[in-house]
Amino acid sequence: AQSVTQLGSHVSVSEGALVLLRCNYSSSVPPYLFWYVQYPNQGLQLLLKYTTGATLVKGINGFEAEFKKSETSFHLTKPSAHMSDAAEYFCAVSDAAAGGFKTIFGAGTRLFVKA
Amino acid sequence: NAGVMQNPRHLVRRRGQEARLRCSPMKGHSHVYWYRQLPEEGLKFMVYLQKENIIDESGMPKERFSAEFPKEGPSILRIQQVVRGDSAAYFCASSPLDRMDLNSPLHFGNGTRLTVT
Repeated sequence: AQSVTQLGSHVSVSEGALVLLRCNYSSSVPPYLFWYVQYPNQGLQLLLKYTTGATLVKGINGFEAEFKKSETSFHLTKPSAHMSDAAEYFCAVSDAAAGGFKTIFGAGTRLFVKA
Repeated sequence: NAGVMQNPRHLVRRRGQEARLRCSPMKGHSHVYWYRQLPEEGLKFMVYLQKENIIDESGMPKERFSAEFPKEGPSILRIQQVVRGDSAAYFCASSPLDRMDLNSPLHFGNGTRLTVT
């Protein structure tokens, strides 16, 4: 079965600094990987996804993630943090289920952005 | 173009009562997923349904919890005889009928926050 591990339940950065949120997965080949963002009192929104092809994936709000098969990682980055990026971020992997599919989520990383 | 609609947004129940959480998927979506979110624990998969069928309920507690997605109407997550440990945010997500590959993202509702007193 697939699984996702997010390193660090809380990350704090200063405004304008690099954002790096770590995600490692275990999966059969090929993995289908996602990053979602959750703002307070809301559901999750898709930031980006990796399917096949280019290993560097660009998403919304300036975020990107790089799929590294050798490291089984899919870390999320943003060059310059903005106050509005403060939220909880979830890495996820799709898993085949009988008759369909289900998405498995990591425990989440809460990002704090300091002025 | 309404997204995934969940209601109620907040639900308070006393121990022993029943809780019913509703989810209307996005238009054209026939796959529904329920997740439970506890603080510091992320989202835990509960159940995956298609119209009139439960596809995968491996994440559902064996007792007191049930889910359905009838031919007409919303999907319902039902919790009988609630206990304090059931307090959590419950999220519904949907995906389209033609979700034949693993890379289709989920569309989430804003959740129902259940508090058991």
